[in-house]
Amino acid sequence: KNQVEQSPQSLIILEGKNCTLQCNYTVSPFSNLRWYKQDTGRGPVSLTIMTFSENTKSNGRYTATLDADTKQSSLHITASQLSDSASYICVVSVTDSWGKLQFGAGTQVVVTP
Amino acid sequence: NAGVTQTPKFQVLKTGQSMTLQCAQDMNHNSMYWYRQDPGMGLRLIYYSASEGTTDKGEVPNGYNVSRLNKREFSLRLESAAPSQTSVYFCASSETHNQPQHFGDGTRLSIL
Repeated sequence: KNQVEQSPQSLIILEGKNCTLQCNYTVSPFSNLRWYKQDTGRGPVSLTIMTFSENTKSNGRYTATLDADTKQSSLHITASQLSDSASYICVVSVTDSWGKLQFGAGTQVVVTP
Repeated sequence: NAGVTQTPKFQVLKTGQSMTLQCAQDMNHNSMYWYRQDPGMGLRLIYYSASEGTTDKGEVPNGYNVSRLNKREFSLRLESAAPSQTSVYFCASSETHNQPQHFGDGTRLSIL
């Protein structure tokens, strides 16, 4: 069973609207949580990285939140643009000597005009 | 500044053939990684190199070998390709294991 679950699997939103993606994890011990954006045919690109002591971090129109007590994170996209169409991947870093990462399967976002 | 460069971008092999996937980074990063990405699944770590001169197995190392040629280059070798190794392979690098990883654009490998 994947220790990082993302929902929804996919969503379609109108350009200019907001959306929120969810990530639940069971990884323990936990070091940090990351969100990546992966465009079709490209490698993932880092959006945010949060330690367990941070509960929000922004990168432009992307805002990530973290609740380490409930082991939940969300990624909010504000005023979506066509270029936001991509897969968004939640990644949890396990606390150990080499920083093993557990990847979620991603949420596929399609922004339509 | 190219970041992480992977070659080739596409490859088709027959079962039993061998090949090496190449990866190079120009960011002077210490750590490098090889992942595979399969439909509906998260990326899975095959091998990693925490620093030049060291390599270790990840989550799914069977059927693969790696070489950290120098600080810049980290190659992945399939000795006898199997259809189950059909996947998209990503190389990544990071300054240290706790820093964000920078990914290449992948090698799409099909094994018939």
